[in-house]
Amino acid sequence: AQTIHQWPVAEIKAVGSPLSLGCTIKGKSSPNLYWYWQATGGTLQQLFYSITVGQVESVVQLNLSASRPKDDQFILSTEKLLLSHSGFYLCAWGGQYTEVFFGKGTRLTVV
Amino acid sequence: AQSVDQPDAHVTLSEGASLELRCSYSYSAAPYLFWYVQYPGQSLQFLLKYITGDTVVKGTKGFEAEFRKSNSSFNLKKSPAHWSDSAKYFCALERGGSNYKLTFGKGTLLTVTP
Repeated sequence: AQTIHQWPVAEIKAVGSPLSLGCTIKGKSSPNLYWYWQATGGTLQQLFYSITVGQVESVVQLNLSASRPKDDQFILSTEKLLLSHSGFYLCAWGGQYTEVFFGKGTRLTVV
Repeated sequence: AQSVDQPDAHVTLSEGASLELRCSYSYSAAPYLFWYVQYPGQSLQFLLKYITGDTVVKGTKGFEAEFRKSNSSFNLKKSPAHWSDSAKYFCALERGGSNYKLTFGKGTLLTVTP
């Protein structure tokens, strides 16, 4: 069975500080990977997707970047956090005309 | 461009009643449609999907949805509702082509009172 692990579970960071969030997918070879962002109580916004190692496509610009250094790993990062980055970040795999499976998410609070 | 509309931000009903959560979409070609559920403080879980074929699709947790091309809708249904169904429900659309983009509606918060 496939498993998706996200880290950290939660973060409290200062404005202007750097950020790195990660996820790892086990049990699935060459998965399509995604980062989503959810404002508190809001809808989900797709941020990035990757269909192969080393290639990441940006869907919306939020002063964030993503990388896929390994087949099973997806990293979301920024060098300078903004207050507007607060929210719930979800990594997911799957998609392309079928369902996506979400990780448990990282709750980020920027203060 | 595609969009998804969930017109009801909040739905409240009594346990044992039938529930129907509305979803409409805007997309000129054949859509791929999904429903997800988010329990408080948790991530999203997949409920069901419409890709092609039968317009009534069944999913997990006793839910089903009906795809109606005539009015561009994909409403989620369950009868009877249980208090444990209280959650936020999201409808989502993926269009054809190679863009891997999933567009979500704003969600409907369902409260089922015992």
